[in-house]
Amino acid sequence: DAKTTQPNSMESNEEEPVHLPCNHSTISGTDYIHWYRQLPSQGPEYVIHGLTSNVNNRMASLAIAEDRKSSTLILHRATLRDAAVYYCILRDVDSGYALNFGKGTSLLVTP
Amino acid sequence: GAGVSQSPSNKVTEKGKDVELRCDPISGHTALYWYRQSLGQGLEFLIYFQGNSAPDKSGLPSDRFSAERTGGSVSTLTIQRTQQEDSAVYLCASSRASLNYGYTFGSGTRLTVV
Repeated sequence: DAKTTQPNSMESNEEEPVHLPCNHSTISGTDYIHWYRQLPSQGPEYVIHGLTSNVNNRMASLAIAEDRKSSTLILHRATLRDAAVYYCILRDVDSGYALNFGKGTSLLVTP
Repeated sequence: GAGVSQSPSNKVTEKGKDVELRCDPISGHTALYWYRQSLGQGLEFLIYFQGNSAPDKSGLPSDRFSAERTGGSVSTLTIQRTQQEDSAVYLCASSRASLNYGYTFGSGTRLTVV
């Protein structure tokens, strides 16, 4: 399986933008880049995904490097509710559709 | 329904008893997944169902664990002769059978074996 590397933790101030990095240097051409987050005491929640082009939705933006070896999840204005563990996951046919959750990045948002 | 529904939300059982956990996926989602998360730990994949194909059971930790999916919809995860190490939150997710689609998770069943 292609692996991802994320920082263990990050901290942000409320109402500031947050850029969560993910390295995936062994990504293959058919791997989709998925992001999920898990708020305390809740199940994971889908955030965004992409293949090659940058993506935007109501929750966040996903910036994908031109060589696809890294990506960045962008929260435009962090709120206290965004404090969660963020997972960057590669999804491909070889993984049998199952998502392999690593340790993710724990985001702390301070007022 | 609008989301993935799991029941019960909480279950306390005595060591050695069998338990059944239920998952109702989103209508039209052909793929269904079970994960578990022990306290303070990451998500551990258990089993995956896709349509009428044989399930991927590669994540089941022992033969005390089994799961079935009836009619391509509702799924039941059964744990026989429960042990204290089975205590965890059991999460179910469903999705369309496409890499270009996200999962939707349920709220989970918190299982406590005493």
